[in-house]
Amino acid sequence: DADVTQTPRNRITKTGKRIMLECSQTKGHDRMYWYRQDPGLGLRLIYYSFDVKDINKGEISDGYSVSRQAQAKFSLSLESAIPNQTALYFCATSDSRAPDPTDTQYFGPGTRLTVL
Amino acid sequence: AQTVTQSQPEMSVQEAETVTLSCTYDTSESDYYLFWYKQPPSRQMILVIRQEAYKQQNATENRFSVNFQKAAKSFSLKISDSQLGDAAMYFCAVSGSARQLTFGSGTQLTVLP
Repeated sequence: DADVTQTPRNRITKTGKRIMLECSQTKGHDRMYWYRQDPGLGLRLIYYSFDVKDINKGEISDGYSVSRQAQAKFSLSLESAIPNQTALYFCATSDSRAPDPTDTQYFGPGTRLTVL
Repeated sequence: AQTVTQSQPEMSVQEAETVTLSCTYDTSESDYYLFWYKQPPSRQMILVIRQEAYKQQNATENRFSVNFQKAAKSFSLKISDSQLGDAAMYFCAVSGSARQLTFGSGTQLTVLP
């Protein structure tokens, strides 16, 4: 079973619709992240959460909101989707308590979102 | 703010040969970490190798190694004995004290049989 799962894997929606992307992890990590990937731009950070009560904006948070329902679950919402939010969305996790000091992030499989 | 530049949008290599992917970065942090991730057509982001900036020794993972030049802020990835399965988009990334990853725009690697 995958350690980091994302649902849905693909989604097509219309402008103005509310949509939620969900991320779950079984790795026991405390930190979770949401990124979006656009062609030619690499990945950019939307929001990140260091624990259930610690949520922070990333580089491109406008138009998005998040909810950390539990340590293992981190959801990304688009309140009113617009076409330029068409992208590939990734969830990632990391463990701040691990012996490895690099706080390496491990990624889910991604959600391809198309806003018409 | 951190920036990462990958100046080679595309590269190709013959199977079994060696290829080096370039990455330069800028950060004001004194404590930071560097990563290479690969993204095959399946779109999964897979960690290839990581380097702690305070370590002078270059990281190696099997056929993958880095050339870390801290003063030049350069972090290149060398792939030896290239295999068809190495074909992917490769991203360089840096994280600072807040552990947020900043990614480059990627290098698409093609492996020719």
